[in-house]
Amino acid sequence: DSGVTQTPKHLITATGQRVTLRCSPRSGDLSVYWYQQSLDQGLQFLIQYYNGEERAKGNILERFSAQQFPDLHSELNLSSLELGDSALYFCASSPYTGMETQYFGPGTRLLVL
Amino acid sequence: GESVGLHLPTLSVQEGDNSIINCAYSNSASDYFIWYKQESGKGPQFIIDIRSNMDKRQGQRVTVLLNKTVKHLSLQIAATQPGDSAVYFCAEIYNQGGKLIFGQGTELSVKP
Repeated sequence: DSGVTQTPKHLITATGQRVTLRCSPRSGDLSVYWYQQSLDQGLQFLIQYYNGEERAKGNILERFSAQQFPDLHSELNLSSLELGDSALYFCASSPYTGMETQYFGPGTRLLVL
Repeated sequence: GESVGLHLPTLSVQEGDNSIINCAYSNSASDYFIWYKQESGKGPQFIIDIRSNMDKRQGQRVTVLLNKTVKHLSLQIAATQPGDSAVYFCAEIYNQGGKLIFGQGTELSVKP
């Protein structure tokens, strides 16, 4: 158990809908990262928040957004969902930012029908 | 471009043998490397890390070797066990940024 929690574990929704994925980092960690894992793209970095502020952005679609709250938990919002958004979404956390280990949560499996 | 590639997509070994999983990275400015293990239906699990100022690091039954000259990283697992069966990813960080760039992964299968 990494100490990172994610909810929900599974999510099934329809195209065009909007969903919110939730992540609680390990106790004391200030950085939260979101990654998408799909069969054809592998593990791809989406976005990082550090102590409430956006720190780095990767291959995140404009339809996707995230935020980190004062209690350091984070939410990833996915809107106007398409079939191709079906994937595993992982959250990771680390104490600060930069060259340090990121610990991953169990993921949310999203299926868009 | 940004890429961390693995030489072998699958590796099958006999229980008790040593396993070697390889990874080639493209960015010579990479500062930090991590090996993760991912079991089916689970998130990536940290195994071992190494910084660019080192060429070898050992953990419990695992060793990571870094060859910066040829931009190559390897993970050695001693006395491989059935519980080691999983997909192994190498990942890199460069420019002191936080984002991890993952390789495609190698599936390790341990035969009893």
